[in-house]
Amino acid sequence: QSVLTQPPSASGTPGQSVTISCSGNTSNIGSNSVNWYQQLPGTAPKLLIYSDNRRPSGVPDRFSGSKSGTSASLAISGLQSEDEADYYCESWDDSLSGPWVFGGGTKLTVL
Amino acid sequence: EVQLVQSGAEVKKPGESLKISCKGSGHSFTNYWIAWVRQRPGKGLEWMGIIYPGDSDTRYSPSFQGQVTISADKSINTAYLQWSSLKASDTAMYYCARPRTEWELRTFQHWGQGTLVTVSS
Repeated sequence: QSVLTQPPSASGTPGQSVTISCSGNTSNIGSNSVNWYQQLPGTAPKLLIYSDNRRPSGVPDRFSGSKSGTSASLAISGLQSEDEADYYCESWDDSLSGPWVFGGGTKLTVL
Repeated sequence: EVQLVQSGAEVKKPGESLKISCKGSGHSFTNYWIAWVRQRPGKGLEWMGIIYPGDSDTRYSPSFQGQVTISADKSINTAYLQWSSLKASDTAMYYCARPRTEWELRTFQHWGQGTLVTVSS
């Protein structure tokens, strides 16, 4: 059971927008920043969003992050087939669960 | 270019010991934390622990404390993850990862290619 809660799956058609949620509590998301990672099939994870809403160099602006209270979201606009991957949220946890906690991951399917 | 190159896949029997490696290049290895992450087949990511090669300061996630040992040899820019007695439940892909900046213990921007460990009798 992951400390951060994500929906197990999400889907959309090419060109659509999709949002993936990540729910935590005051010990993690409520008091620390959130990162998002993308894991394409058979590859290592890739940092997609850091510090809630910042994109590393090279990540398209179709990807955006936001946070409110103890929840965070990853939004993908203009969905493309190559976006089909697993997405993980991650935060720092100040309780005994920590220090690093991941969400269980969301498998995004592009229909 | 920052690179983390991990050792190759391993097949071991329960009870055997194992040490896998992660060699860094393209950056000052001693100045960045290196973390280890487990991914069991078909499952999500789990942080195991982290080491600062400069002084070998090591932190473990509570779930992995006492189960594995993380170490580093800064003279050859290499971090290690080892087990003294493997279990079938240790079967997984293991990744090493480096943070985006020197002062962070998270926000991992650089990843190794992964080492698949299979434990089976």
